[in-house]
Amino acid sequence: DGGITQSPKYLFRKEGQNVTLSCEQNLNHDAMYWYRQDPGQGLRLIYYSQIVNDFQKGDIAEGYSVSREKKESFPLTVTSAQKNPTAFYLCASSMGRAGANVLTFGAGSRLTVL
Amino acid sequence: AQSVAQPEDQVNVAEGNPLTVKCTYSVSGNPYLFWYVQYPNRGLQFLLKYITGDNLVKGSYGFEAEFNKSQTSFHLKKPSALVSDSALYFCAVRDTSQGGKLIFGQGTELSVKP
Repeated sequence: DGGITQSPKYLFRKEGQNVTLSCEQNLNHDAMYWYRQDPGQGLRLIYYSQIVNDFQKGDIAEGYSVSREKKESFPLTVTSAQKNPTAFYLCASSMGRAGANVLTFGAGSRLTVL
Repeated sequence: AQSVAQPEDQVNVAEGNPLTVKCTYSVSGNPYLFWYVQYPNRGLQFLLKYITGDNLVKGSYGFEAEFNKSQTSFHLKKPSALVSDSALYFCAVRDTSQGGKLIFGQGTELSVKP
């Protein structure tokens, strides 16, 4: 079945450590996105990529980094510069731009900073 | 600024009764509107969208939504609620000023009691 796989599902990090969240899709979608979800705040866009080797900052990119070396993969690194990284992280993809096309989401990764 | 609002944090409905989850938006140009549902510790799933055409849009699991241009609303409805409809519902609108990315509302928790 086609879909998006996020790993790990749960991740614990000590303060000062970088962590990388994996996102892989086999939908042949061009665009991929990373969202952060906090209770009562909806989803906020971190980074998005509409094509391989290109990506743009979203609304809350500070303290995060991404790469898009392959169409199928869009890993997110949460760096030590991110002041409050504890959150639920969602990866999504779409055939074209999100504004006109439906997003398909992964199951999410929950990051907790100890 | 372009935005979307879900005025109710929580909606409580008895099983078998009709349900409405409210959404209002503010965008320039023609709105592209979406509803997504999220079950606990899962990613979001697409329910329905409005791009153009009939103001009443039918979607998955018996849900429908009514686009009202004069009231800038896109309320989600279902004639008869099920306990299994209990979940977090997100309204989203295309951001026409920033490459077509989606702006999400803060979410509405729907609780359907037997």
